[in-house]
Amino acid sequence: QVQLVQSGAEVKKPGASVKVSCEASGYTFTGYYMHWVRQAPGQGLEWMGWINTNSGGTHYAQKFQGRVTMTRDTSISTAYMELSSLRSDDTAVYYCARQQLLDYWGQGTLVTVSS
Amino acid sequence: EIVLTQSPGTLSLSSGERATLSCRASQSVSSGYLAWYLQKPGQAPRLLIHGASSRATGIPDRFSGSGSGTDFTLTISRLEPEDFAVYYCQQYGSSPLTFGGGTKVEIK
Repeated sequence: QVQLVQSGAEVKKPGASVKVSCEASGYTFTGYYMHWVRQAPGQGLEWMGWINTNSGGTHYAQKFQGRVTMTRDTSISTAYMELSSLRSDDTAVYYCARQQLLDYWGQGTLVTVSS
Repeated sequence: EIVLTQSPGTLSLSSGERATLSCRASQSVSSGYLAWYLQKPGQAPRLLIHGASSRATGIPDRFSGSGSGTDFTLTISRLEPEDFAVYYCQQYGSSPLTFGGGTKVEIK
């Protein structure tokens, strides 16, 4: 069965960076793009961008351009999302999700930004 | 960017009742690429409907989607206790992918 397992919760100081991992299993990793979506506490869903897990090509939402980097390691079927210059309003649960249909989701990773 | 507006914000209903949720887009959604998700507290969203009207794998037939262009509807024919949650619509036909603000279906 398809599973996306994300890394654990993180606490970061303003200005720092965070890197969240998403390990895929149960399907051919390079056959599907991986998307990242975040959700601030009590708020809705916000799409951040995608990575082509085959070529490594990326496309980011304009809001995150220059601050987000999505990468992957095909040898271990894992996608990564790194967000830099963290601010308090980056506090959110970050999700990976398979393909633009977002048919399978990771369990989410809470990133807390606090001084 | 396509803006999705969901209504109502909150729907108060009892088990067994019918729920009708609306999602309106600021411009036509390409090829009907409109999806609906259910999210329970502390959980990731779960795909219910894609292509405006196709149920995802394992989704019971009390859930149905309809609509095209700019107006879409999710209908739950008879609410079960596990259906009380927040529902989001999402368009995936053009970049950036966008979500509606959500409709909370709560127990009356």
